Amino acid sequence: DVHLVESGGGLVQPGGSLRLACAASGFTFRTYSFNWVRQAPGKGLEWISYISSSTSTRYYADSVKGRFTFSRDDATNSVFLQMNNLGVDDTAVYYCVRESDYGSFDYWGQGTLVTVSS
Amino acid sequence: DIVMTQSPLSLPVTPGEPASISCRSNQSLLHNTGSNYLDWYLQKPGQSPQLLIYLGSRRASGVPDRFSGSGSGTDFTLKINRVEAEDVGVYYCMQVLQTPPTFGQGTKVEIK
Repeated sequence: DVHLVESGGGLVQPGGSLRLACAASGFTFRTYSFNWVRQAPGKGLEWISYISSSTSTRYYADSVKGRFTFSRDDATNSVFLQMNNLGVDDTAVYYCVRESDYGSFDYWGQGTLVTVSS
Repeated sequence: DIVMTQSPLSLPVTPGEPASISCRSNQSLLHNTGSNYLDWYLQKPGQSPQLLIYLGSRRASGVPDRFSGSGSGTDFTLKINRVEAEDVGVYYCMQVLQTPPTFGQGTKVEIK
């Protein structure tokens, strides 16, 4: 079975940093691309970043560009989201998402909550 | 960015009755391969979203056949043949034709 397990969320002050991790299992990790999608409390879904299977391509939403960095480690079947200069608008549940061959988001983790507050 | 618009935003349903949700995009989602790059997701209460429909009309693995997707270009519909109590939650459409992928606002389906 495919499993994606996020970790690293928590409470951070404005201007602070966090590093989210997502551990994957149950499939051939290196052949898949991944995304991060976030959901602010009571709000809808917002795509924020993508990384290709070869790590050669990364995309970021304008809302996080220059502050967030998406990386992966095929040796440990993990992806990471380094988040710097966090603001209150970054408060959300962050989901790690596998991308299918058709570009669909076929498997989602359980999410990790990031709260930015003083 | 492609803008996705869903309607209605709230949908009270009766178990056993059909239901449908509309999703419109401000640009065509029809790829030159002939496929529409439009997905449907369901987020049940307290859960992560799950893929229901991809490429406009293909059911994801394990999705009951009471769910169907249709449409092409800019107009799409998700239909539930006979609603069951377990179908409650928020339904989102999402385009994956262009980066950034963009979601509709969500349609909250609840039992009357």
